[in-house]
Amino acid sequence: QKEVEQDPGPLSVPEGAIVSLNCTYSNSAFQYFMWYRQYSRKGPELLMYTYSSGNKEDGRFTAQVDKSSKYISLFIRDSQPSDSATYLCAMSAPGDTDKLIFGTGTRLQVFP
Amino acid sequence: DTGVSQNPRHKITKRGQNVTFRCDPISEHNRLYWYRQTLGQGPEFLTYFQNEAQLEKSRLLSDRFSAERPKGSFSTLEIQRTEQGDSAMYLCASSPQGGQGLYNEQFFGPGTRLTVL
Repeated sequence: QKEVEQDPGPLSVPEGAIVSLNCTYSNSAFQYFMWYRQYSRKGPELLMYTYSSGNKEDGRFTAQVDKSSKYISLFIRDSQPSDSATYLCAMSAPGDTDKLIFGTGTRLQVFP
Repeated sequence: DTGVSQNPRHKITKRGQNVTFRCDPISEHNRLYWYRQTLGQGPEFLTYFQNEAQLEKSRLLSDRFSAERPKGSFSTLEIQRTEQGDSAMYLCASSPQGGQGLYNEQFFGPGTRLTVL
């Protein structure tokens, strides 16, 4: 079993829809939870970062962490065609390296 | 552009050949990471440097792989006797070192796409 599980999709939604992306994990040591966006043939770029449990909002994006269920979510409101990309969840445990453990990524397509 | 840069962007090689990739991190970032990403998968951690010291290596990093970061600046990743299974995107990331318990964002480069024929 992988430490981080993520549905690979693809997920296809119309412009303006609310998108929900999710990951589950098994390692209770994870304290830092990230969402990265990756466009085709590019490196990942950080969208949102949350420490421990709770919600965080940034514009159209909301990240939620439920440590009791080992479940994290990213919501995108008013989705735009420019949001079409692969969304990767990533996690890290406190320590010396801060290495990231990624999910497989969910491919999102927002059509006009 | 002051982001992380990687060269070359693409590399096609024949099985059995050696290849070397270069990563230039954001200046003054003392932490540097290498990840490998295969098609349809998320990046997987390979190795980590703090300044010039290589402090962690994944089990994914076989004996054919070696990474260096001389003088704590740029880093190189060499793969000897390449195999078709080495075909992947090799990503480099750098981050500053903050205080204990603080998360430090990793900034990723564009990656080097390796194809082994």
